[in-house]
Amino acid sequence: GAVVSQHPSWVICKSGTSVKIECRSLDFQATTMFWYRQFPKQSLMLMATSNEGSKATYEQGVEKDKFLINHASLTLSTLTVTSAHPEDSSFYICSARRDSNQPQHFGDGTRLSIL
Amino acid sequence: DQQVKQNSPSLSVQEGRISILNCDYTNSMFDYFLWYKKYPAEGPTFLISISSIKDKNEDGRFTVFLNKSAKHLSLHIVPSQPGDSAVYFCAASGTTFGNEKLTFGTGTRLTIIP
Repeated sequence: GAVVSQHPSWVICKSGTSVKIECRSLDFQATTMFWYRQFPKQSLMLMATSNEGSKATYEQGVEKDKFLINHASLTLSTLTVTSAHPEDSSFYICSARRDSNQPQHFGDGTRLSIL
Repeated sequence: DQQVKQNSPSLSVQEGRISILNCDYTNSMFDYFLWYKKYPAEGPTFLISISSIKDKNEDGRFTVFLNKSAKHLSLHIVPSQPGDSAVYFCAASGTTFGNEKLTFGTGTRLTIIP
């Protein structure tokens, strides 16, 4: 159990476009989902914490108007990178937890390349 | 400021021997520590965890040791198997079960030599 699916796994798009990434918990309900970003040779860095039905909590330095997070249901959270630019190219990965007594389970990540 | 450090970017171990992966942290508020394993093109998979009230947790071939005074933890894999070849991330959390914000290390690539 505890499967987290992330889609798409890889996207290439032109500068200025917006990209939506989906994160789904397939076999459990996730009250909280997390969005991380990983640049090459660096660790995963938390971008924001998403609670179902409420606004996401963003980490310091992360622009909430640029990285829109929606957590409309207990099984789906989306991250939209608005007006993406080459510096937004990175590996984005989500995680979800079943409840407060369980560790986070991760999706397979999305490789975003902005040309 | 890297609060969780994995100073060895890579490690090679002979099959059947013990693999020891190390992790150091600087934030004394961390209360819970986790190890994740990651294969290429996949997300990290939870492996084992330890609460700060313990100094050892064992699960099959995997054992995590925590030395709070040294702010150091290690993951022991014995015996090492070819399927253990992956990148291992150490992570820390300020809450029980690591169910909130996780701070990750940069990872150690473990290669098991048949």
